[in-house]
Amino acid sequence: DTAVSQTPKYLVTQMGNDKSIKCEQNLGHDTMYWYKQDSKKFLKIMFSYNNKELIINETVPNRFSPKSPDKAHLNLHINSLELGDSAVYFCASTQRGAGLSYNEQFFGPGTRLTVL
Amino acid sequence: AQSVTQLDSHVSVSEGTPVLLRCNYSSSYSPSLFWYVQHPNKGLQLLLKYTSAATLVKGINGFEAEFKKSETSFHLTKPSAHMSDAAEYFCVVSDQRGSGGGADGLTFGKGTHLIIQP
Repeated sequence: DTAVSQTPKYLVTQMGNDKSIKCEQNLGHDTMYWYKQDSKKFLKIMFSYNNKELIINETVPNRFSPKSPDKAHLNLHINSLELGDSAVYFCASTQRGAGLSYNEQFFGPGTRLTVL
Repeated sequence: AQSVTQLDSHVSVSEGTPVLLRCNYSSSYSPSLFWYVQHPNKGLQLLLKYTSAATLVKGINGFEAEFKKSETSFHLTKPSAHMSDAAEYFCVVSDQRGSGGGADGLTFGKGTHLIIQP
């Protein structure tokens, strides 16, 4: 069983289009994330979502919007795609511990987005 | 604020020799520290984690790391490299905060590309 899954694995599209990437986790976790990995392999958090609380990294353009239909899903919608959006996008999930502890995050396989 | 510095962008070792990947961190709170590995065109896999228990942490595939608070370091080591260890390695920090903190995702280092020479 795949713990964190993403679809599609590859996405090639034209500038200006709107696209979505889906993420599902079957681990029963309460917190999900989206990360962007650029061409230099640098990973940066975009969003975290916990119990309907969305926390946005301030550097993320508002063309990006996460949507969570339920606790097991966190989809990423991107409007008006730009060349600079080309990257690998990773979904992750974790169960936030009580008090001050933070557990490891489990990552999906990634979605490689190419904007032409 | 938290940050991670991986001191080497590339490390090359011969198969069978020791591996050392260096990582220094900065955190305003008691940190949790992780090492993740990413094989080519694959997702991220957790190698090991430190969460304020034992300072020497053992992970999968023979890797281990030692948390040294005085040096703010969390270097990753392996006694004997294998060809299958060739990958990108990320040192990662997460602040341990109370509820209500800001974006609580992981902060990644820029990665170290490990090359194994036959």
